[in-house]
Amino acid sequence: KAGVTQTPRYLIKTRGQQVTLSCSPISGHRSVSWYQQTPGQGLQFLFEYFSETQRNKGNFPGRFSGRQFSNSRSEMNVSTLELGDSALYLCASSPRLLEARENIQYFGAGTRLSVL
Amino acid sequence: DQQVKQNSPSLSVQEGRISILNCDYTNSMFDYFLWYKKYPAEGPTFLISISSIKDKNEDGRFTVFLNKSAKHLSLHIVPSQPGDSAVYFCAASQRKFNQGAQKLVFGQGTRLTINP
Repeated sequence: KAGVTQTPRYLIKTRGQQVTLSCSPISGHRSVSWYQQTPGQGLQFLFEYFSETQRNKGNFPGRFSGRQFSNSRSEMNVSTLELGDSALYLCASSPRLLEARENIQYFGAGTRLSVL
Repeated sequence: DQQVKQNSPSLSVQEGRISILNCDYTNSMFDYFLWYKKYPAEGPTFLISISSIKDKNEDGRFTVFLNKSAKHLSLHIVPSQPGDSAVYFCAASQRKFNQGAQKLVFGQGTRLTINP
């Protein structure tokens, strides 16, 4: 089974621009979550999508948005980029069965975004 | 508000000895805990998990212990191998009724170095 695929792997943007990151989950997984990783901050939860609907949202400004398509693929968009948005953005997928107690998320390799 | 804390940013262990990584949490509603391992330039890889109804879970060289009264979990690696050198993240989640498992809250990570 193919793993979680994120594109692009690396991205360089300037302040004020906007960026779109893409994530293809593991086949059959319906939940996609996005995380931001910066030095010293660990992984900060951005949002989760399930069946094309945002189910959970972290504490990030409205400049960060996302969506999920009917094939479970997801995109994350950041508008009006700031220097502090430079980070590794990770996408994770899980089956997210409603009756499942466990939530094992499987991560992609991430997109490294640098804002200059 | 850091709900999941890994107080040791780094740990160095001799090959063949035991590695013990610690994690504390503050939210008593968390009922599922996971450990992830991360190599540079890769996404986190799921390692082992434990439900709050257990106090120990073992998988090969990896054992996770959960002390609910102390809100503390630990990961034991025995024997430690050079390939275990990586950053280890603990994560926690809280299952909400009829909504399946919820978002993961991560600690800041501990960099483990195994010395030959």
